[in-house]
Amino acid sequence: DIQMTQSPSSLSASVGDRVTITCRASQSISSYLNWYQQKPGKAPKLLIYAASSLQSGVPSRFSGSGSGTDFTLTISSLQPEDFATYYCQQSYSTRFTFGPGTKVDIK
Amino acid sequence: QVQLVQSGAEVKKPGASVKVSCKASGYTFTSYDINWVRQATGQGLEWMGWMNPNSGNTGYAQKFQGRVTITRNTSISTAYMELSSLRSEDTAVYYCARGLREGIGPARYYYYMDVWGKGTTVTVSS
Repeated sequence: DIQMTQSPSSLSASVGDRVTITCRASQSISSYLNWYQQKPGKAPKLLIYAASSLQSGVPSRFSGSGSGTDFTLTISSLQPEDFATYYCQQSYSTRFTFGPGTKVDIK
Repeated sequence: QVQLVQSGAEVKKPGASVKVSCKASGYTFTSYDINWVRQATGQGLEWMGWMNPNSGNTGYAQKFQGRVTITRNTSISTAYMELSSLRSEDTAVYYCARGLREGIGPARYYYYMDVWGKGTTVTVSS
C-alpha cells in the first residue's frame, strides 16, 4: 500500500497567519491527492481534490499544490473556523490511504 | 439535499459481527461509489473499502480483507458494512462517504469522497 506522511503533526497559529501543511507519498501518485478538514466530533469535509482543485463552497483562502510525491495545503489567512485537523488522502491506488493528520490549534 | 444517513450506535461483544447501514438521498444511488472509513478515538482516518452500487463490485483494504463485507440494496438506496470477528481494537466511529470519479481520460479519473455520513459509533466490549 502507498504510505502517506504529513508534517508537522501539529502546529499552533494565530488568526491571520499563513499556514502550510505538507504531505508526502511513499511513491509517485501524480496529482491523485485530496485534502480533508475534520473538526472534533464531526465527519471529515472535502477541501481540495486532484491536488489543487478547490471543492465547491470551500473558501478561496485554502489552496493545494504539488505532484509526484510532495504536496502542500496552504491556508492564506487562518480564520477562527479553520482550527481543525487536516488529512491528506491518495487515490492513485484503489486501496486508498490517508495521512496521519495535522492538528491546527490556537496559539 | 445530498445526504448519507447512518444507523445508530452499536455495542457488541468480542467475536461478534456488526452491520452498519448508510442510506443515500438527494442523488442517484447507483451513480456514485460508497466508501467506508473508520476512526478510533483520538486517532486518524482509516479507509476500509469501497463499493460500486451499480455493479456491486467492491475493493477492500488489505488489513480488513476477509473480515469486512460491503453490500447494498439499491431498492432502498442503502449500503451496508459488515465487520466480523470483532475485537476491542475495532471500537471506533465508522463513516460512509460518497466516492466521486472525475474522468480525465480513457480509464483515468480523479477520485474523492465528497459527501460523508455523520458516523456510527461501534463499541466492542465484553
